[in-house]
Amino acid sequence: GENVEQHPSTLSVQEGDSAVIKCTYSDSASNYFPWYKQELGKRPQLIIDIRSNVGEKKDQRIAVTLNKTAKHFSLHITETQPEDSAVYFCAAAKGYGGSQGNLIFGKGTKLSVKP
Amino acid sequence: NAGVTQTPKFQVLKTGQSMTLQCAQDMNHNSMYWYRQDPGMGLRLIYYSASEGTTDKGEVPNGYNVSRLNKREFSLRLESAAPSQTSVYFCASSEAAGGLGQYFGPGTRLTVL
Repeated sequence: GENVEQHPSTLSVQEGDSAVIKCTYSDSASNYFPWYKQELGKRPQLIIDIRSNVGEKKDQRIAVTLNKTAKHFSLHITETQPEDSAVYFCAAAKGYGGSQGNLIFGKGTKLSVKP
Repeated sequence: NAGVTQTPKFQVLKTGQSMTLQCAQDMNHNSMYWYRQDPGMGLRLIYYSASEGTTDKGEVPNGYNVSRLNKREFSLRLESAAPSQTSVYFCASSEAAGGLGQYFGPGTRLTVL
């Protein structure tokens, strides 16, 4: 089955710097890769996702890149702000096209943005 | 439009007690899921329902049962709670199987003494 590894487990940056979180997946059939943000005591919220037919996707200060050959994808946050502090989870799934699988989550990255 | 709702928000049980966690969604989604979240373990799938009338085991189903009551509601039951089931439980839903655009409920924090 699918296995998702996420690094680093903790990340501390200064406000205004960029942050990068990386995930690798094992199942080449996976074609859907979402990222979730979870603030302390709150529910995970979908912030961006990418399908395997796209190499990069941007939404304001966040972007996700996908390398299907190497089976890894990354979350990039530019111009970080204190409100970006949270735990970020990546996930992978056979999300569409034929029989779908379920999301397999990485273990999370705790991002701290220092003012 | 409330999205995904869960009850209760908090619960304390004694070992051996039973309880049911309730989940409802008003987004007309076909698929619903139950996860547990433990420190350092991420989100692990307990059970899911790809569509009304179907349920399947996820990664960690032991000790749990589920019921897809109708398209809106998906409940999780602990028949005989154990301390190892102390966790935060999240319900989620998506329009279709495969988890695309999956939305989470606010969670239930369960402690088993």
